[in-house]
Amino acid sequence: GAGVSQSPRYKVAKRGQDVALRCDPISGHVSLFWYQQALGQGPEFLTYFQNEAQLDKSGLPSDRFFAERPEGSVSTLKIQRTQQEDSAVYLCASSLGFGNSPLHFGNGTRLTVT
Amino acid sequence: DAKTTQPTSMDCAEGRAANLPCNHSTISGNEYVYWYRQIHSQGPQYIIHGLKNNETNEMASLIITEDRKSSTLILPHATLRDTAVYYCIVRVDNQGGKLIFGQGTELSVKP
Repeated sequence: GAGVSQSPRYKVAKRGQDVALRCDPISGHVSLFWYQQALGQGPEFLTYFQNEAQLDKSGLPSDRFFAERPEGSVSTLKIQRTQQEDSAVYLCASSLGFGNSPLHFGNGTRLTVT
Repeated sequence: DAKTTQPTSMDCAEGRAANLPCNHSTISGNEYVYWYRQIHSQGPQYIIHGLKNNETNEMASLIITEDRKSSTLILPHATLRDTAVYYCIVRVDNQGGKLIFGQGTELSVKP
C-alpha cells in the first residue's frame, strides 16, 4: 500500500525566501509528526498533530516555523525567511495514533538554503 | 534527551548474524523499546518493538533483558542491504508517542 508521501523531494531556496513542504500521511492515520534531520545527525522532533489539532510544537526552533493540518490529513510545514541553518532533511511520519502503533516515515524533503 | 546508549559503529560479515546492543538503564515500566533503521537518503524504517518479552518478526528479533535495562537487535543473516544506521529508541509514553532519536549505530555489512 501507499506509504507516507512528501513533496518536493528536493528544494533549493535563497536565504530569506519562504518555503512550504507537504506531507501526505498514510490514509486513516490519525497522528502526524514532523522531524528535522541535519547531516550526520539523528532526526529531531519538531511538532505533532492528532487529527487537525497540533498538540505538541515544542521542537519548532523558531517562530519562523509553522505547521498546519487543517482537515486532519495532509500537512504542510512552512518556513518563513529561510536561513542557512534551516538546511536539512525534513521528515514526516504518521501513525494510527493508538496504543503503541509505530510511526511510518516518508523519505523526506531535502532543503538547501543558499 | 535520548534515553538510550548505542555503539557508534559496528561491522558484520555478510551472511552472519548482526547483534546490535542498546542500553536503556532509565527506562520506565510502561515504556517500549523501538528499533528503526535508516538507509542513506531514505526515511527511518520501522523494524520491531517490545515491552519486556522477546519479539520476532520477518525482519529481526528483539531480545530484552529481564531487568529491561538493555536490549539487543538481531539480524539473523545480514546482507549488504542491511547496511544502515540503526536507532534504538525508548518511546515516550505520554507525549503523543513521539520518538526521540539518538545518534544510532552505523552498521556496515561487508562481503
